[in-house]
Amino acid sequence: DAKTTQPPSMDCAEGRAANLPCNHSTISGNEYVYWYRQIHSQGPQYIIHGLKNNETNEMASLIITEDRKSSTLILPHATLRDTAVYYCIVRELYNQGGKLIFGQGTELSVKP
Amino acid sequence: GAGVSQSPSNKVTEKGKDVELRCDPISGHTALYWYRQSLGQGLEFLIYFQGNSAPDKSGLPSDRFSAERTGGSVSTLTIQRTQQEDSAVYLCASSQRQGFGNEQFFGPGTRLTVL
Repeated sequence: DAKTTQPPSMDCAEGRAANLPCNHSTISGNEYVYWYRQIHSQGPQYIIHGLKNNETNEMASLIITEDRKSSTLILPHATLRDTAVYYCIVRELYNQGGKLIFGQGTELSVKP
Repeated sequence: GAGVSQSPSNKVTEKGKDVELRCDPISGHTALYWYRQSLGQGLEFLIYFQGNSAPDKSGLPSDRFSAERTGGSVSTLTIQRTQQEDSAVYLCASSQRQGFGNEQFFGPGTRLTVL
């Protein structure tokens, strides 16, 4: 079962920052937080992952609280192409197979 | 370079028939995963390959489902005696190596409809 809780949907104005929250209150010390997104009719796409430090790449930033019980994915300047379902996944460091356990995700709608 | 490809993109079949779904991973990727996405169940893991062997088949829903991988490359997911509840989008993903830290690249999926 997924170990994360996300709001089912969110709206964001084009050009503004989109802040997507994720609750993972039962996360353990050897588990990382991963984010994927799925644009309609496409396969999921990797965005970013982190352990406890904030992370940033060309797509997004990931902010993890100090107690690691929650995190926020930030898309700094959302565009219409960022409309998608965003999945927050908690994944064990020693999950040797690497399979992903998806929850229901957050459907982000970016509006003009 | 080319991404993960899957064929067919759409498949409509009658209940009771067998179907084969194909996945071509990114060249050089040793790990390959099958997932399915249905309205009622969301995105769920089916099976994982490392090379030609499948260390984790825990997500296969019944013995009607099987998969193989040959030459460390192409994989085929076979569903025998299809049922209406098998209707879903079947997604394949590959990664350079197994395990943690290795980003999975997904294909576009095969939409299976069982009438």
